[in-house]
Amino acid sequence: GNSVTQMEGPVTLSEEAFLTINCTYTATGYPSLFWYVQYPGEGLQLLLKATKADDKGSNKGFEATYRKETTSFHLEKGSVQVSDSAVYFCAYEGPGGSYIPTFGRGTSLIVHP
Amino acid sequence: GAVVSQHPSWVICKSGTSVKIECRSLDFQATTMFWYRQFPKQSLMLMATSNEGSKATYEQGVEKDKFLINHASLTLSTLTVTSAHPEDSSFYICSARTGIGTEAFFGQGTRLTVV
Repeated sequence: GNSVTQMEGPVTLSEEAFLTINCTYTATGYPSLFWYVQYPGEGLQLLLKATKADDKGSNKGFEATYRKETTSFHLEKGSVQVSDSAVYFCAYEGPGGSYIPTFGRGTSLIVHP
Repeated sequence: GAVVSQHPSWVICKSGTSVKIECRSLDFQATTMFWYRQFPKQSLMLMATSNEGSKATYEQGVEKDKFLINHASLTLSTLTVTSAHPEDSSFYICSARTGIGTEAFFGQGTRLTVV
């Protein structure tokens, strides 16, 4: 069935380090792919998205490229800040899942000063 | 972006009582709303999908009679946890969108604690 797999957390980094959070998906058709961020005690916020192959989503210094050949949508940021500490969810939405947002299990990011 | 307001943000109730959670789209008409449940340090699990004016579609394993969902208008959906038990304690999040392929916006979530 359709699914999203994220790397296990927590990911612990020092400020200004490079961040990669891996995400791969299995889905029929051509889904749209998303990264959401959840700060402590809050709901989800859309961070970025890509709707077709080779699209790059970007926001607040974060980037992710829709790679159809590797079925991946890895999240990257060149220099993380303490304020980036949160849980990040990879998600997809597409015909195979009746266009219902489906989430990975989330990856906790902890950034130390 | 569009705003989805969820109320209350947190609630504590006694076992056996019912709790209603509201989800409102403040500046757009939400034809579809989703209800998710999130356990600590876990992902969001879809509970049900509701379309305005029709019965909600529940995911497998979700008790319809326990988690009552009403989507009476294009701006309001409610989730009522009936006869709550401690195992119902969780973080409940709603999401709303105008249609298929449009962005889904999320409420801030409701922390339910049943004692």
